[in-house]
Amino acid sequence: DGGITQSPKYLFRKEGQNVTLSCEQNLNHDAMYWYRQDPGQGLRLIYYSQIVNDFQKGDIAEGYSVSREKKESFPLTVTSAQKNPTAFYLCASSIGASGSYGAQYFGPGTRLLVL
Amino acid sequence: AQSVAQPEDQVNVAEGNPLTVKCTYSVSGNPYLFWYVQYPNRGLQFLLKYITGDNLVKGSYGFEAEFNKSQTSFHLKKPSALVSDSALYFCAVRDPAGGSYIPTFGRGTSLIVHP
Repeated sequence: DGGITQSPKYLFRKEGQNVTLSCEQNLNHDAMYWYRQDPGQGLRLIYYSQIVNDFQKGDIAEGYSVSREKKESFPLTVTSAQKNPTAFYLCASSIGASGSYGAQYFGPGTRLLVL
Repeated sequence: AQSVAQPEDQVNVAEGNPLTVKCTYSVSGNPYLFWYVQYPNRGLQFLLKYITGDNLVKGSYGFEAEFNKSQTSFHLKKPSALVSDSALYFCAVRDPAGGSYIPTFGRGTSLIVHP
């Protein structure tokens, strides 16, 4: 079965704590993305990565960090600097900048809640 | 710059009736257009895309979309709605002439199909 997995499904963060959201894909896609979804605001791009060991800031990168050490993995860390982290986080992938029309495949999401 | 608008926050339709979810876009060249569906607490699922060719695009679950260049629109349609079609629908656009392979998403339209 090919696809994208995200874990955990629910995550609780205490104030001042860093937490990491996992995203793994076995689609052999080069590009991966992190989006934040808030009610009524659609999807906002946090970070994206075109290839291993390279990533770029999206529209709302402040308070977040990522790494791309392996093609199949793109974890997102929500740092204590992110003052309003409560949201639904979606990971996505696509074939890449070349050979793709931009269609993305999404994981099931992680809901982050603040205690 | 690329942008997309979904003018309706919510669309209500009776089961068995035709449905339309509206999307308009703005790009500098010829667009790549996408529709996605999101069920509660789930990731987005790809429905269909327009890249070039026939203006009527058929997708998953009986959905289709009509590309209208003169009106810069890409409305999602289905001849007969099902209660199970109730979900959040996102339109997305990518401007290949703009140099980015990352699509811009609309804010989403909630479709409610009444029995």
